[in-house]
Order: sequence, then structure tokens, then C-alpha cells
Amino acid sequence: AQTIHQWPVAEIKAVGSPLSLGCTIKGKSSPNLYWYWQATGGTLQQLFYSITVGQVESVVQLNLSASRPKDDQFILSTEKLLLSHSGFYLCAWSTGGYAEQFFGPGTRLTVL
Amino acid sequence: GEQVEQLPSILRVQEGSSASINCSYEDSASNYFPWYKQEPGENPKLIIDIRSNMERKQIQELIVLLDKKAKRFSLHITDTQPGDSAMYFCAASSSFSKLVFGQGTSLSVVP
Repeated sequence: AQTIHQWPVAEIKAVGSPLSLGCTIKGKSSPNLYWYWQATGGTLQQLFYSITVGQVESVVQLNLSASRPKDDQFILSTEKLLLSHSGFYLCAWSTGGYAEQFFGPGTRLTVL
Repeated sequence: GEQVEQLPSILRVQEGSSASINCSYEDSASNYFPWYKQEPGENPKLIIDIRSNMERKQIQELIVLLDKKAKRFSLHITDTQPGDSAMYFCAASSSFSKLVFGQGTSLSVVP
């Protein structure tokens, strides 16, 4: 069975500080991977997707970047956090483009 | 790009009755429509989905209807229970690997 793990579970960071969030998928080779952001009480906004190692496509510009250094790993980062970056960050995976997406447990980020 | 409108934003129903959530989309190329349930503090979980080659799909008490001509789809929960209380999101996929979500519906099932 596939498992998806995100780290850290929660972060409290200062405005202007760097950030790195991680996601790993076990039990599935060559998954499609996605990053989503959800404001408190808000909808889910797709940020990035990756079909293969080393390739990441940006969906929206939020002063964030993503990388896929390994087949089972997806990283979300920024060098300088903004207050507007606060929210719930979710990693998801699927077997293909128009397939079901399954979400990880998420990382709750608070920027002060 | 694709936009998905979801209504109502808040829905309160009596236990045992039915609940209906409606979504509309803009891009006629959209061909995959999942529904997610999200409990407070938890991740969204896929509960049912429908593809454009179908008009109706049912999994136990969940029914999804798709009207491609009107570009609308809907979720119906029959015989609602308190455990059905949660946020529900519809979504549409019009291009490879992109999923656009509706604004969400907060469903409360009261005894």
C-alpha cells in the first residue's frame, strides 16, 4: 500500500525567514506529485505538479518554488516568507494525469 | 483557466434527510470531477468521482450527477448522519495534472 508522509507537521516562522517543506511517497514508483495550499477556511489551490524526477511545473506564482530531487520526494521552499504564506500545505500523489489524487496529512504553517 | 463555482457555502440539514451540493465549471474540456470530504484539521479525502463518459454514479449513500451540456455536476448525500458533517469540495480537471477546486461547502447534520 502507498503511504505519503509530510514534514514537518507544523511550523511557526518569522516573516522574511526561509522555508523548506518535504513530502515522500512510499510504495509507488514514478507517481505524479502535487503541492497545494489552503488558507484557513478556504479552498485548495494547486501550486505545483511534477510528473518525473527533476521536472516541476508551476501552476500559480506565490513566491514559492518546488523541486523533485528523487522519484519519491517533493520539496516546497522559499527564501523569504511572507505573512500571506500562512496556511495548510498539502502534498498529493496520483498514478497519472486525470487520475485520483490522494493527499498527505499536511503541514500547518504560521508566519508571524 | 478553469474556474469552479460551488454552492451553497453553508448547508444545514436534519439527520436522515438528503443534502445536495452543486458545482459548475467553465471549460467544456473538463473530463474528471472528484469530490473530497475534509474534517477539521485533517487532509481532504476522496469520497467519489465521475468522469465525463458517465452521467450518474452512486457509492452507497453518495450520488454524483454530471450534466455536460449545462457544465454542472452535483453531489447528493441521502439519509445524512452526524458523521457526514464536514467540508466538502468539488473539483474539475480540464488539463493534464491540473485540478481546480470549488470554494467548499460546510455541511452540518443536526439531530
